[in-house]
Amino acid sequence: GQNIDQPTEMTATEGAIVQINCTYQTSGFNGLFWYQQHAGEAPTFLSYNVLDGLEEKGRFSSFLSRSKGYSYLLLKELQMKDSASYLCAVKDSNYQLIWGAGTKLIIKP
Amino acid sequence: ETGVTQTPRHLVMGMTNKKSLKCEQHLGHNAMYWYKQSAKKPLELMFVYSLEERVENNSVPSRFSPECPNSSHLFLHLHTLQPEDSALYLCASSQVWAEGEKLFFGSGTQLSVL
Repeated sequence: GQNIDQPTEMTATEGAIVQINCTYQTSGFNGLFWYQQHAGEAPTFLSYNVLDGLEEKGRFSSFLSRSKGYSYLLLKELQMKDSASYLCAVKDSNYQLIWGAGTKLIIKP
Repeated sequence: ETGVTQTPRHLVMGMTNKKSLKCEQHLGHNAMYWYKQSAKKPLELMFVYSLEERVENNSVPSRFSPECPNSSHLFLHLHTLQPEDSALYLCASSQVWAEGEKLFFGSGTQLSVL
């Protein structure tokens, strides 16, 4: 079967750095997405990786290793507004999106 | 006007009721989706419409019935639901075959079935 694993919950301190990992086992690979979802709100797109390496966008970076079936989302200079759930999703060989259950990130002052 | 608008935001219904969820996208996209989000579970894809044709129906019970009258509007008709159908229902849109083809989501309808 196809599977995406990510930690259920993480806690970090304001101003610090946090890395949220995502491992996947899918039939084929056509890209990996990270979405952010604040409580009671719509998921919003953060990043897309289709080639190996690091993509940086301001305070957020996303890394992909296709050979290891592994990605991480790196959040720097954490702010209280970064408290949210972070969803990892992979497009398989049929271009179907396979979703992880999400990681709830709690930021403490 | 936000990109994808869903109404209502909250809905409480009995198991014998009939209700409809509405979604409208203002992004000019050509695909629309219904997802179910339950606590601590991955998003479950329910239905996909591409160019106004239903292209996917993931073994969803017949008590859920989608309707896509045009590329901007999507409905989910509900009848004789069960308590386990209580969840957040998310609508999304995308531009098919665009690079990355990211999804744009609405804020969802929080559904409670009593």
